[in-house]
Amino acid sequence: AQSVTQPDIHITVSEGASLELRCNYSYGATPYLFWYVQSPGQGLQLLLKYFSGDTLVQGIKGFEAEFKRSQSSFNLRKPSVHWSDAAEYFCAVGALRGTGGGNKLTFGTGTQLKVEL
Amino acid sequence: DGGITQSPKYLFRKEGQNVTLSCEQNLNHDAMYWYRQDPGQGLRLIYYSQIVNDFQKGDIAEGYSVSREKKESFPLTVTSAQKNPTAFYLCATGQGAGAEKLFFGSGTQLSVL
Repeated sequence: AQSVTQPDIHITVSEGASLELRCNYSYGATPYLFWYVQSPGQGLQLLLKYFSGDTLVQGIKGFEAEFKRSQSSFNLRKPSVHWSDAAEYFCAVGALRGTGGGNKLTFGTGTQLKVEL
Repeated sequence: DGGITQSPKYLFRKEGQNVTLSCEQNLNHDAMYWYRQDPGQGLRLIYYSQIVNDFQKGDIAEGYSVSREKKESFPLTVTSAQKNPTAFYLCATGQGAGAEKLFFGSGTQLSVL
């Protein structure tokens, strides 16, 4: 069964500082990996996704993530955090097309990001 | 304006009552999903439907029911059998047979009176 671990429940960074949010996954085949962001009381917005190819993927709002198969990780990074980045971030893993897993994404428990001004 | 509409934004359930959460989409996506979100637990899949008139149980389907009579609509009923229904419910849509990205509605907060 696929699973996702986000080891950090809360992270606080100063505005302008760099950010790295950790994500480790468990999946028996090549995974589809996603990062979503959620503002309070709202739905989730896709930041970026990895399907194949270049292991460093760029997303919206200046975020990037690197897929490291040897470490089963897909950490999210941003070089300089803005106050508006404060939100909850979710990593998710999904089934590869055609394996019968459908569109069932498995989400991590989330990391709450606080930005200090 | 294209998107996913969830209603109501807030919903209260009395003991022993069934309540229905609405999810409507005009993105023409084949697949629709219901997730439940509890603090500190992330999102858990309740039901999903990849085509009209067909749906599958997710990881926590007990106490819930769904229907998919139209492509645009995927209502979720929280039955009295769901003993702990207080949560934030998110509807999502997707296109494609594999794990394509999901589009999320803005959610419904369900609370028990």
